[in-house]
Formats: sequence, structure tokens, C-alpha cells
Amino acid sequence: GAGVSQSPSNKVTEKGKDVELRCDPISGHTALYWYRQSLGQGLEFLIYFQGNSAPDKSGLPSDRFSAERTGGSVSTLTIQRTQQEDSAVYLCASSLASSGRFTDTQYFGPGTRLTVL
Amino acid sequence: AQSVSQHNHHVILSEAASLELGCNYSYGGTVNLFWYVQYPGQHLQLLLKYFSGDPLVKGIKGFEAEFIKSKFSFNLRKPSVQWSDTAEYFCAVNGENTGFQKLVFGTGTRLLVSP
Repeated sequence: GAGVSQSPSNKVTEKGKDVELRCDPISGHTALYWYRQSLGQGLEFLIYFQGNSAPDKSGLPSDRFSAERTGGSVSTLTIQRTQQEDSAVYLCASSLASSGRFTDTQYFGPGTRLTVL
Repeated sequence: AQSVSQHNHHVILSEAASLELGCNYSYGGTVNLFWYVQYPGQHLQLLLKYFSGDPLVKGIKGFEAEFIKSKFSFNLRKPSVQWSDTAEYFCAVNGENTGFQKLVFGTGTRLLVSP
């Protein structure tokens, strides 16, 4: 079946504008994660959704960042009033389930490269 | 907070050379350990993972990693690399202090294998 898909693949925006990044997880995967990769840094966790539970937002860097997951499937990451330091590759991942220690493999999408001018 | 260190940022090898990429993590409790690989132009994909049991884990494409708890290490090895192993390699960990959900990644190691 299809893997995790993300859109757009590239996004260039001006400082101060809002952007929305979309993630379509693998069908049937109940867990969904957002990470970002800034230049020269590893992947940084942003937010995690598991089924109908409240999301773990502990990695969001500021209140300009938010995410939602509609119908337990598609997720949108929104960045308001973008800043140049928001420039990064935003990666989405999904897994079959996630509870307890033995978490399922996270499958990653191709990412969205965000450039804030 | 948990952290992961990958000491080699860039590695250049000739084909058939042996590979060892270092990975150290900071958390002393129960952890799961992963190596991910990103080939040029492709998605991040799982190479291998350790949850429990035999500390020597074998993954795809001839890769293996050894979990040494006393050293907080999970080094990646391959006895003979190929040109097609050129990629960026990421070590990652999750642990009981983060609910075993979010992955903490190292900064990655870029491997270039010359033919």
C-alpha cells in the first residue's frame, strides 16, 4: 500500500505569513508523529497523536505551532507568523499502534521543506 | 532530558572497508534503540532496532548493531560496505521517561562510499 505522504514537498513563504503542512499517514495507522530537521541538526520531535487520546504537544517550540488530526487520519501542522528560524524540513511519521514499551516502527514521509524568507 | 550523540559527522570509506558508526545516549533507564537510514532522495527508513534480548541486533542489508548498556552505546557495524550504502545514518532512542513514544535522534552521520 501507499506510504506516508506529505504536501507540499516544498514551501517558500515570507516572514510573518501562516503556513499549513499536511500529512496523510499509512491507512490503518493509529499513531502519527511530527518531527522537524533543521540544518545541521538531528530530527526534533514536535507532536504525537495516538487514536482519540489528547496529543502530546511537548515538543512544539512555541505557541505559533499547532497541529490537528481530523478523523484519526490526516494531520495538519500549522505555523503562524512564520520566522526565519522555522526554516526546516518537517517530517511526518505514522505507526500501526503505540502503547507501552514495544512501540511499532515509525514510517516516515518524504517531508516538507519550508523556507521562510 | 534524553540526548543522543553521534560523534562521526562525515565518514568516507572505500568499497569493502569495514564500517562502525558510534552512537551514545544519555538516559540510564529502560530504552529502545534504533538506527534509521536516509538514502539520497529517499525517505528515512528503519535499518534495525533493539528492544530487549540479544544485544547484538541484525538488520537489513547486512547491518548489525550492538547494545552495550554499561557504555550507553549502540554502535552500527557492517563488515564490508558497498557504494550503495552511501547515505545518512541516524541513531535514535526512546525511553520510559518519554513514554516510549517520541524518538530522540542524533544529528546523523553522512557516509560516502567510494567505488
